[in-house]
Amino acid sequence: QKEVEQDPGPLSVPEGAIVSLNCTYSNSAFQYFMWYRQYSRKGPELLMYTYSSGNKEDGRFTAQVDKSSKYISLFIRDSQPSDSATYLCAGRNSGNTPLVFGKGTRLSVIA
Amino acid sequence: GAGVSQSPSNKVTEKGKDVELRCDPISGHTALYWYRQSLGQGLEFLIYFQGNSAPDKSGLPSDRFSAERTGGSVSTLTIQRTQQEDSAVYLCASSPRTGSNEKLFFGSGTQLSVL
Repeated sequence: QKEVEQDPGPLSVPEGAIVSLNCTYSNSAFQYFMWYRQYSRKGPELLMYTYSSGNKEDGRFTAQVDKSSKYISLFIRDSQPSDSATYLCAGRNSGNTPLVFGKGTRLSVIA
Repeated sequence: GAGVSQSPSNKVTEKGKDVELRCDPISGHTALYWYRQSLGQGLEFLIYFQGNSAPDKSGLPSDRFSAERTGGSVSTLTIQRTQQEDSAVYLCASSPRTGSNEKLFFGSGTQLSVL
């Protein structure tokens, strides 16, 4: 079992829809969770960063972590065609250990 | 420069040849990471540097892979005797520091194709 599992999609939604992207993880020592967005032929860019359980909101994006169920979510409100990209979740524990990524979910927002 | 720079952006090579991939991190960033991204496999950690030292090489897939970093800046990933399964996008990332809350900044990657 990979440490971080993520449905690769693809996921296609109409413009304006609410998008829910999800990951599960197996390492109970994970404390830090991130979502990266990757456009085609580009490197991933950090979108959201969360420590431990809870919610974090930034504009149209909300990241949610439930450590009890080892579940990570990203919600996108009022989705736009420019949100079309691959979204990667990642987790790590404390200390100098590398980020562990999911495989990424490819999202298409159709105008 | 403004971001992490990787070169070349694309590399096509023949099986059995050696290749070198270069990464220029963001100025002042002490930590540098190499990841590999294959179709359907997500990002796979290869190695990271803190300064010029590599505390964690656990992700290097075989002894054909090696990396170095000089002057706490530029890093080179070398793949010897390339195989077709080495075909992937090789991504470099840098960070101002290591630690629990570090945030990685990625380059656009080198697309390696081994024929």
